[in-house]
Amino acid sequence: QVQLVESGGGVVQPGGSLRLSCAASGFTFSSYGMHWVRQAPGKGLEWVAFIRYDGSNKYYADSVKGRFTISRDNSKNTLYLQMNSLRAEDTAVYYCAKASSRDGYGDYWGQGTLVTVSS
Amino acid sequence: EIVMTQSPATLSVSPGERATLSCRASQSVSSNLAWYQQKPGQAPRLLIYGASTRATGIPARFSGSGSGTEFTLTISSLQSEDFAVYYCQQYNNWPPTFGGGTKVEIK
Repeated sequence: QVQLVESGGGVVQPGGSLRLSCAASGFTFSSYGMHWVRQAPGKGLEWVAFIRYDGSNKYYADSVKGRFTISRDNSKNTLYLQMNSLRAEDTAVYYCAKASSRDGYGDYWGQGTLVTVSS
Repeated sequence: EIVMTQSPATLSVSPGERATLSCRASQSVSSNLAWYQQKPGQAPRLLIYGASTRATGIPARFSGSGSGTEFTLTISSLQSEDFAVYYCQQYNNWPPTFGGGTKVEIK
């Protein structure tokens, strides 16, 4: 069965950096696009970034463009999110999600990892 | 970007009753609309894609309808495990955008 396991969350000071990972199993990782979606405490879902199956195209929300970088290593079945210049408003649970054959929505989601930006 | 608006924000329903949730897009998204269910402390779960197609393993009491700018998620007979927050999401245009959610609570 599809499994997505995020890691790398934690507490970081404003202006700091963090790299999240998402380990995938149970499907052919190299054949599917992947999303990052976040959820601030008590708030709704916010799409963050997407990468195509081969890494050829990447898309970002305006709120993170220029600060966050999505990448993948298909040999390791792992998705990444490099987060730089972190702000308090980046505090959220970050979910990775496997894209369907239509790239735009996630058909399987990980359990999330919490990122807290605070001094 | 396309703005997705869900209503109502909270829906109070008794077990066994029907629940009808609405989602409106600020411009047409064709049928490129998904619905998710999220319970406290859990990740979202895909319920519906293509506006009306149930995802794998989703019970038949969940149904989606609509196209263009107006969409509906109907839960025909609410079970205890259905009390949760529901989100719609359009994927017709980049960036994909979510509605603010509808919380379905026990009346």
